[in-house]
Parts: sequence; structure tokens; C-alpha cells
Amino acid sequence: AQSVTQLGSHVSVSEGALVLLRCNYSSSVPPYLFWYVQYPNQGLQLLLKYTSAATLVKGINGFEAEFKKSETSFHLTKPSAHMSDAAEYFCAVSWDSGGSNYKLTFGKGTLLTVNP
Amino acid sequence: KAGVTQTPRYLIKTRGQQVTLSCSPISGHRSVSWYQQTPGQGLQFLFEYFSETQRNKGNFPGRFSGRQFSNSRSEMNVSTLELGDSALYLCASSFQGLSTDTQYFGPGTRLTVL
Repeated sequence: AQSVTQLGSHVSVSEGALVLLRCNYSSSVPPYLFWYVQYPNQGLQLLLKYTSAATLVKGINGFEAEFKKSETSFHLTKPSAHMSDAAEYFCAVSWDSGGSNYKLTFGKGTLLTVNP
Repeated sequence: KAGVTQTPRYLIKTRGQQVTLSCSPISGHRSVSWYQQTPGQGLQFLFEYFSETQRNKGNFPGRFSGRQFSNSRSEMNVSTLELGDSALYLCASSFQGLSTDTQYFGPGTRLTVL
């Protein structure tokens, strides 16, 4: 089974500061990686995904993530935080559990707080 | 295009009862997957259905079951409810499934077991 580790269950930044949310995965084969965002009382929304193309992936709302195979990492960044970025962020890995049947495993999530 | 809808949004049940949750995917999507979200365990994969067939399942007891209909709508059933089943249940839909597709999530059904 594959796993995802998100370092820091809670990250607090000031408005305008850099946002860095960390994600490490365990995978013996090239993974498919995703970042999702969840706003209060809502479902999850895709921010960006890595599917074996460019290692630097750009997503919505100014977020981007870089796939680093040597570090088994897929950290999410945004140069300048906005108040509207306050939400919970989930890193996820899609992996073949056998017979080309895939499962989606999520990290525990990181709650981002943006201070004015 | 309408998003993923889940009904009901909130549900209160007592231990021992059973419950059925419904998920209507985005039109044209054939894959529906279900997840349990709790503060302690986070988001956990329950199962995925594609064209009426269960394609994969997570590590949940047999009390958790599901099905998918020919119009791709899916239902999840939990029998003999336990207090620990209290959670937000999310469903997601996509065209092909869980490999590289973007998953579109519904708002969830909040189940409380008393």
C-alpha cells in the first residue's frame, strides 16, 4: 500500500507571505500525485496534479508544486498568500493496487490559516 | 454542467440501524468513488464503482457496501451502525477512474450515530 505524509497539520502565514505545504509519498513506482483543497462545509476541489509530464506543475489560484523523485516529495507553494487561501489542503497519491485497479490515498491534511 | 450531488446532506441515526446514502455524478462520468472523512483518520477510500461494477475497495468491514446503477448514480449502505461510523461521507466522480483523472467531489453527507 502507498502512503502520503503531510508535515504539519496546521500552518499559519501572514497575508502576502510565501505558502509552503509539505507532502512526501511512498511509492516504488512513479506515482500520480494530486493536491486538493477543502473549504469549510464543502467537498474537495482539485488544485493541481502530476501525471508524469513536467515536474513543475502549475495549478489554480496561483499554486504550484514540484515533483522531486529523489526526495519522494511533492510540496505545494504559492508566492503570496491571500486571505481566501485559508482552507484545508490534502495531498493524495493514486496507485495501482493490482490489475490496473487504482486506489486514491490521502494525507491527513494541512489546515492553512492566513493572518491579516 | 451540474456538479456532484449527495443526498441527504445530514443524517442522524442510532446504533444498530442501517443507512443508505446517495450520490449523483456529473453527467457522463462513469466512475464513482466513496470516502469516509473523520478528524482522527482523515480521508479514507471506501470503494470505487465503474459501469456498475465495484473495481476496488478499501479496508472497511463488510457492513459497508455500495452499488452503482445504469445511470451511474451510486448508493452506499452501512448496516448495523456503530458510534465510530459518525463521519462525513464524500463521493467523487470522474470519466475513467482513479488513475490520472481529476476527481470531482460532492459536498458530502454528514452522518451522526447516537
